[in-house]
Amino acid sequence: DVKVTQSSRYLVKRTGEKVFLECVQDMDHENMFWYRQDPGLGLRLIYFSYDVKMKEKGDIPEGYSVSREKKERFSLILESASTNQTSMYLCASVAGEWVTGELFFGEGSRLTVL
Amino acid sequence: AQKITQTQPGMFVQEKEAVTLDCTYDTSDQSYGLFWYKQPSSGEMIFLIYQGSYDEQNATEGRYSLNFQKARKSANLVISASQLGDSAMYFCAMSLSGAGSYQLTFGKGTKLSVIP
Repeated sequence: DVKVTQSSRYLVKRTGEKVFLECVQDMDHENMFWYRQDPGLGLRLIYFSYDVKMKEKGDIPEGYSVSREKKERFSLILESASTNQTSMYLCASVAGEWVTGELFFGEGSRLTVL
Repeated sequence: AQKITQTQPGMFVQEKEAVTLDCTYDTSDQSYGLFWYKQPSSGEMIFLIYQGSYDEQNATEGRYSLNFQKARKSANLVISASQLGDSAMYFCAMSLSGAGSYQLTFGKGTKLSVIP
C-alpha cells in the first residue's frame, strides 16, 4: 500500500517559533504537495514540488517555505509561526508528470500556535 | 487561475436515496482532470472518482458517478442508494496540465449528512 507519513499528528507551538512539518512517501512519487485545511475554506495549496529541489508556490505561500532534498521527503517550514497559521496541514503525493491519478494523503498534522 | 465552486455547504439525504453534490469549475485550459474526494470525521482523504476533460463517458465507480457537463463546466457527484457511512465532507477538485501546473485545486467542500 502507498503510504504518506506525516511526522506529527498534533503540535503546539508558540508565536515566533520555527516549525518543521515533515512528510515522507514510500512510492517513489514525483509530485508532492502541502495543503492547509480550515473550516469553510476547504483545502488550499501552499506549495508543491514536482522533482527533487524543485518547488512551486501554490495559492497561499506567504509565511511558509519548503524543502525537497530527497524524492521521498517534502518538508514544510514556518519560519516564524503566527496564530493565523493554526490549522490542519495535509501532505499529499502522486506519480506522473500530470496529475491524472489519485492523490495519496497523509493523516494530517494539526498545528496550534499560541 | 483555475477555480472550483461548491455552492452547497451542507446537505441532508435520507438513507437509501440518491443525492447530487454540485461542483462547477472555471478554467480556460482544454486539458484538465476533475476529482471527488471524501473526508469522514476521522480526517483521512479518500479518493472517489476521476473524470478527464476528454473523456466522453461519465465516470462511474460503484455507487458514485460523475455527471460531467463540459459546456456548463460542471462536474456533479451523484451518490446512489445513500448509506449512513456516506456522511462526510466531500471535496471537488481540478488538475491542470502544462509546465508548472502540477497542482490540484480544491473547492470548499459540502458536508453531507445521511439520515436514517
